[in-house]
Amino acid sequence: EAGVVQSPRYKIIEKKQPVAFWCNPISGHNTLYWYLQNLGQGPELLIRYENEEAVDDSQLPKDRFSAERLKGVDSTLKIQPAELGDSAVYLCASSLTGYFDEQFFGPGTRLTVL
Amino acid sequence: GQQLNQSPQSMFIQEGEDVSMNCTSSSIFNTWLWYKQDPGEGPVLLIALYKAGELTSNGRLTAQFGITRKDSFLNISASIPSDVGIYFCAGRMNRDDKIIFGKGTRLHILP
Repeated sequence: EAGVVQSPRYKIIEKKQPVAFWCNPISGHNTLYWYLQNLGQGPELLIRYENEEAVDDSQLPKDRFSAERLKGVDSTLKIQPAELGDSAVYLCASSLTGYFDEQFFGPGTRLTVL
Repeated sequence: GQQLNQSPQSMFIQEGEDVSMNCTSSSIFNTWLWYKQDPGEGPVLLIALYKAGELTSNGRLTAQFGITRKDSFLNISASIPSDVGIYFCAGRMNRDDKIIFGKGTRLHILP
């Protein structure tokens, strides 16, 4: 069974540019999560989807971050415009049951903002 | 807000040695989780603990849910090179709550 797929794996952009990350969850997993992992820190939840509905986006900085999961499968996380402090790893995870302790993480996208 | 403190931040050990690390919380948790993250990969769940005092093993790994519900411990016996990585503790109060991660313990194994 394929795991959570994320692309790109690495992205380098200049500040003020837009950037987008894509995630394909494990087949059949209705719950999808986006996390931010800063260097030397654990992951922090940005947004959680149940199918196509965002059920928890309280930690998503909505002035520059947006996310969508239009058909309840793939998801895209966007930053516009990117700032230097956005350099981090963006992790996607999915879960069959919707419980956080049963989520599987993807490999992440490492973003570097210059 | 809730905070998790992991210690030590990093460890340098010889292959074959046993390893102990712990995690403390400023508030009570009803679930403790231990993850391992390899370079360039996402965290992988190692052990989940759901009851105070619970002791659970996964191969050479053993984790315990502290009686106070504010701490948890992870032990690795007879370390091998593939144990290298970052170990994260995580916890939550209720089943529907998001999990809070610690900052990780980075394990290095000396040749």
